Amino acid sequence: QVQLQESGPGLVKPSETLSLTCTVSGGSVSGSFWTWIRQPPGKGLEWIGYVYYGGSRNYNPSVKSRVTISADTSTNQVSLKLKSVIPADTAVYYCARGFGGYVSVDSWGQGTLVAVSS
Amino acid sequence: QSALTQPASVSASPGQSITISCTGTSSDIGSYNYVSWYQQYPGKAPKLMIYDVSNRPSGVSDRFSGSKSGNTASLIISGLQAEDEADYFCSSYATSSTPYVVFGGGTKLTVL
Repeated sequence: QVQLQESGPGLVKPSETLSLTCTVSGGSVSGSFWTWIRQPPGKGLEWIGYVYYGGSRNYNPSVKSRVTISADTSTNQVSLKLKSVIPADTAVYYCARGFGGYVSVDSWGQGTLVAVSS
Repeated sequence: QSALTQPASVSASPGQSITISCTGTSSDIGSYNYVSWYQQYPGKAPKLMIYDVSNRPSGVSDRFSGSKSGNTASLIISGLQAEDEADYFCSSYATSSTPYVVFGGGTKLTVL
């Protein structure tokens, strides 16, 4: 079964760029939708956006101007870049695979906590 | 873009049934049959329990079911068990200037 593992810095300074990588094992990036979802400590889930291996992507309007999600079939990885971060971007960031599309997701990484602080 | 509205908490005794509501608008739940429900234990990633309003992924207990009426979706859990105690989140396809996915704020289920 597919396994997802997020990686990246646990601390980012305000105004800088948050960069995370999701390594996919037991499956291929090709042929699936890949989604990033975040969860501020003690709060609910927020959908950030998705990428399809073929190149289509879409983002939550709340972060659309700051976010880029990409898929690399050569490394079997999915990446998230969020620029100009603020403390409210502090959250556990999850990588997840779409289930029959991108609206539902059925496989999740364990999540990685990113704190935005000086 | 407002989050979907869920009750903060619900509670019931083992063996009973509960319903968790998820209220949206005509821009999300009311117009599309793309409602999902997730179960999350503390410190763990969520798990997909229901997709497309009422469908269960393989391996999910048939004690879990979903429905929708108008702008409100519901998750029904029958024959409550201690292991059902968790947070539950709904989500829906939504449209504004662009299509996206919106989540509810989450409901803490306590099995008494």
